[in-house]
Amino acid sequence: EAGVTQFPSHSVIEKGQTVTLRCDPISGHDNLYWYRRVMGKEIKFLLHFVKESKQDESGMPNNRFLAERTGGTYSTLKVQPAELEDSGVYFCASSQGAVSYNEQFFGPGTRLTVL
Amino acid sequence: AQSVTQPDIHITVSEGASLELRCNYSYGATPYLFWYVQSPGQGLQLLLKYFSGDTLVQGIKGFEAEFKRSQSSFNLRKPSVHWSDAAEYFCAVGGGYQKVTFGTGTKLQVIP
Repeated sequence: EAGVTQFPSHSVIEKGQTVTLRCDPISGHDNLYWYRRVMGKEIKFLLHFVKESKQDESGMPNNRFLAERTGGTYSTLKVQPAELEDSGVYFCASSQGAVSYNEQFFGPGTRLTVL
Repeated sequence: AQSVTQPDIHITVSEGASLELRCNYSYGATPYLFWYVQSPGQGLQLLLKYFSGDTLVQGIKGFEAEFKRSQSSFNLRKPSVHWSDAAEYFCAVGGGYQKVTFGTGTKLQVIP
């Protein structure tokens, strides 16, 4: 069974540009999460999808970030326009159930560098 | 608000030595507690979790953790470290349908 995949693995862009990150969850997992880790800091929750609906987007930093999950399969996270402070590693995770004791399976992350 | 503190940013141990990684949490009710490990180039992998019952939890790769409510701690232990255990370890807390909150991580270096 394939795990959670993320694309690209690295992205280097200039301030003001747009970047779109993609996450493919484990097949059959209705719950999809986005997290971000800024260097040396904790892994911070961004948002949670249940199928195609946003269950909790309380962690989204601002309206420059837009997450979608059309059809309840893969998800994209767009940053437009990117700022220097958006640099970090963006993780995606998926789980079968929404209750927090359900194991979340993580992808390898996308390292975003904004210059 | 829930929070996790991992006081050790970096730990170095000799191969074969014992290991203890510290984790303290803040949570208003009975917490769900997790330890994850991230090896270079990999995603986070769940080592073990605690929800209820026996406060000593066994996980994969020979790791265990003990929940101590009185100390708000969930320290991770391994009796004998292997070179392959070198990685970054994250403690996390959650509960019910609440989002999971992670600590800042502890990097483990294993020396021969």
